[in-house]
Amino acid sequence: DAKTTQPPSMDCAEGRAANLPCNHSTISGNEYVYWYRQIHSQGPQYIIHGLKNNETNEMASLIITEDRKSSTLILPHATLRDTAVYYCIVRVAAGGGADGLTFGKGTHLIIQP
Amino acid sequence: DSGVTQTPKHLITATGQRVTLRCSPRSGDLSVYWYQQSLDQGLQFLIQYYNGEERAKGNILERFSAQQFPDLHSELNLSSLELGDSALYFCASSPLAGPTDTQYFGPGTRLTVL
Repeated sequence: DAKTTQPPSMDCAEGRAANLPCNHSTISGNEYVYWYRQIHSQGPQYIIHGLKNNETNEMASLIITEDRKSSTLILPHATLRDTAVYYCIVRVAAGGGADGLTFGKGTHLIIQP
Repeated sequence: DSGVTQTPKHLITATGQRVTLRCSPRSGDLSVYWYQQSLDQGLQFLIQYYNGEERAKGNILERFSAQQFPDLHSELNLSSLELGDSALYFCASSPLAGPTDTQYFGPGTRLTVL
């Protein structure tokens, strides 16, 4: 799986959009971008994933650049409960063994009141 | 609530001892994954089972073993415990074993080795 780079921490004001960047410049054509988050010592929570098109669900939007070398997770109206560590993970779509997720250090997002 | 349950929530034991952590996957999920989260190593994948069979291994120590039973619950056995085994242990489940299957995590078991 390709390596990802994320800023170690970010602040965002409550009610504003939180934009979390992720660099995955070595991503292959058959690799998905996944986002998980972990709220203080709880189990990681799946947020969203995508291959090359932008994706949106009830939690967030995922914007993937045309060259697929980077992506941005957008939480449209951040609340205090969104304070967490956010992990960007690249996973092969098919053909490989189904092993576990490789978590980096992630971005610690702090929502300020 | 992800639907994945783990017991116990907390476990305190001594060095050299053996413990068993239990995980019940979401209803219908066939794959179970175990992860360890320590302060210095972060979240690390240990092992995966699919429908009772070992599917993939990560950074699992030889002192650790796991199994998945016919009812699909899984147990992680940790033996000859060392201080460095103190960590959060998470179980996750997914419907199948595909690499794009979303994994749903349980609340974890906090192990403290004294």
